[in-house]
Amino acid sequence: DAGITQSPRHKVTETGTPVTLRCHQTENHRYMYWYRQDPGHGLRLIHYSYGVKDTDKGEVSDGYSVSRSKTEDFLLTLESATSSQTSVYFCAISESRGLSNEQFFGPGTRLTVL
Amino acid sequence: GESVGLHLPTLSVQEGDNSIINCAYSNSASDYFIWYKQESGKGPQFIIDIRSNMDKRQGQRVTVLLNKTVKHLSLQIAATQPGDSAVYFCAENIAGYSTLTFGKGTMLLVSP
Repeated sequence: DAGITQSPRHKVTETGTPVTLRCHQTENHRYMYWYRQDPGHGLRLIHYSYGVKDTDKGEVSDGYSVSRSKTEDFLLTLESATSSQTSVYFCAISESRGLSNEQFFGPGTRLTVL
Repeated sequence: GESVGLHLPTLSVQEGDNSIINCAYSNSASDYFIWYKQESGKGPQFIIDIRSNMDKRQGQRVTVLLNKTVKHLSLQIAATQPGDSAVYFCAENIAGYSTLTFGKGTMLLVSP
């Protein structure tokens, strides 16, 4: 998985609780992304980062926040989890040099909100 | 939990056959495309990419064809093997933008 780890790999939580997912990379790539994957929707971008402390919203950012204090770590926080946030969450990284923007994905975190 | 493979179009082939998976992309300004493979319970894995100044690119057992006129991509897998069973999806990128837009995917099932 291109030097990308995600933690935890599985989590079950209750509605209204805060949840933080961690993505860690050892590739020193500049760009990091958080996606969610749901049946019938494919991969949808939540937030991404283009450098330390530099982040931007994706298409489904409501209810999520992110932080990147170090190149290697990108955190996704659900401040107050809802059942609609039950999903599989993937982190990806990219060098994004020039014309190519291939992204490499982590193994995923399966989150269930009861 | 429900598999991401549900609700997807499915292509069923026999081992040894050639497979063709299609993708229609949405943005005429897209100029870089990637095919990913996703096995059950794993993250998407990069297979092959192509830039818009090409109409064909070959890898090991895989070929990607790009038709910009009709905004269509295809992934051809030669001599398909059971290990090729997975969900395949395309992604598109516009030069200068750091994000990808992903298609919903096609499930490939290979029977021995």
